[in-house]
Amino acid sequence: NAGVTQTPKFQVLKTGQSMTLQCAQDMNHEYMSWYRQDPGMGLRLIHYSVGAGITDQGEVPNGYNVSRSTTEDFPLRLLSAAPSQTSVYFCASSYSSGAGEQFFGPGTRLTVL
Amino acid sequence: QQQVKQSPQSLIVQKGGISIINCAYENTAFDYFPWYQQFPGKGPALLIAIRPDVSEKKEGRFTISFNKSAKQFSLHIMDSQPGDSATYFCAAVYNFNKFYFGSGTKLNVKP
Repeated sequence: NAGVTQTPKFQVLKTGQSMTLQCAQDMNHEYMSWYRQDPGMGLRLIHYSVGAGITDQGEVPNGYNVSRSTTEDFPLRLLSAAPSQTSVYFCASSYSSGAGEQFFGPGTRLTVL
Repeated sequence: QQQVKQSPQSLIVQKGGISIINCAYENTAFDYFPWYQQFPGKGPALLIAIRPDVSEKKEGRFTISFNKSAKQFSLHIMDSQPGDSATYFCAAVYNFNKFYFGSGTKLNVKP
């Protein structure tokens, strides 16, 4: 099993550009989530999904879109990147609800100039 | 407004000592309290977790103490080792789906 994979590992964008951060898991997990990690602020939940076709907002959803068309994939879209979105982004998954062990991906370091 | 407040921000402990990290929350609707460990350049990994109907949970050298009335919980690392040097995050979970993390504690265990 590859676990949770994220691509790309690093990305530099210009203000106003759009991009999609990819996340995939091969553990047949129902629950998937996206976080951003900023220094001194811990991890903040952006969006989460409890199954294919079901998504909901987390603590900091503004500026980000998600969809979940399959159990395996949970992409995160930045529609118009802003410098405030410079961060490290982590995707995570767990078997059912978030109360199970969440497995985190290796992260994507995004810089918006 | 931060839902979970974590302290201290950093901690230095001698090898063999006890490391203690504290967290506090306000929302009594939280129903799950995990701790995560993160090494540089890696994603966090679940260390230990507790539900609010339990006052203490121990797994090896790691113990969570939970005080429901004070709305506080803490992580104790007994016999701390240099390999425990990492950043630790507490979290509180609402409806088992919405995670709120503390700001993190960077632990350095001196040999």
